[in-house]
Amino acid sequence: AQKITQTQPGMFVQEKEAVTLDCTYDTSDQSYGLFWYKQPSSGEMIFLIYQGSYDEQNATEGRYSLNFQKARKSANLVISASQLGDSAMYFCAMREYGGSNYKLTFGKGTLLTVNP
Amino acid sequence: DAGVTQSPTHLIKTRGQQVTLRCSPKSGHDTVSWYQQALGQGPQFIFQYYEEEERQRGNFPDRFSGHQFPNYSSELNVNALLLGDSALYLCASSLVGAPYGYTFGSGTRLTVV
Repeated sequence: AQKITQTQPGMFVQEKEAVTLDCTYDTSDQSYGLFWYKQPSSGEMIFLIYQGSYDEQNATEGRYSLNFQKARKSANLVISASQLGDSAMYFCAMREYGGSNYKLTFGKGTLLTVNP
Repeated sequence: DAGVTQSPTHLIKTRGQQVTLRCSPKSGHDTVSWYQQALGQGPQFIFQYYEEEERQRGNFPDRFSGHQFPNYSSELNVNALLLGDSALYLCASSLVGAPYGYTFGSGTRLTVV
C-alpha cells in the first residue's frame, strides 16, 4: 500500500534563504508519481512540482526543485530564496500508476513559516 | 480560464442531517475526485468519478455517495452526518489519461454540530 511520511510538522526559514522539506514514500509499484502541493490558509491546494518515477533528472519549477532519491525513497522539496508569501502548509503526495489506481495519497504536511 | 469551483464555501449542519456539496471542474477536464481533509491532516481520498461512474473509492462508509453529471460537474452527498464528518472537502479535477495535472478547488468547510 502506498504511504507518504512527512516528519517535520513545522519549519522556520529566514526570508531569502533556502529550505528543504522532507518527504519519504513507500510503494511496491515501479511506476508512480510524486507531487508537492502548497496549501495557504484559504484552503486551495496549489500544485508546485511533479516527479515521475522514471524521470532521470530532478524536477525543477522556478524556485522549487525536487531532490529525488529513488533508492532511499525520498522526494524532498527545496525552495530557494524564500519569500514571505511561501508561508503555508506543504503536502507531499503520491500516485501509483499500476492497476486501477487513480487516487493521490498525501502526507500529513509541513507548516512552513518564513520570517522577515 | 476558470479553475475548479466548489460550493458552498462554508456550511454548518446538525448531526443526523444530510448535505450536498458541489464541484465544477476546470474547463477541459473530465474527471472529478473528492477528498476529505480533517483539521491538521492531509487530504484523504473519498472517490473519483469518470463518465458518470464511480471509478475508485477510498475507505469511506456508504453514507458518502456521489454523482457526476454529463457536463462533468459533480456532487458529494453525505447522509446521517456525524461530528467526525466536520472537515474541509476538496474537489480535484483532471483529464483522463493524464498522469498528473490535478487541479484542486478551494474546498467546502463543513461543520457538524
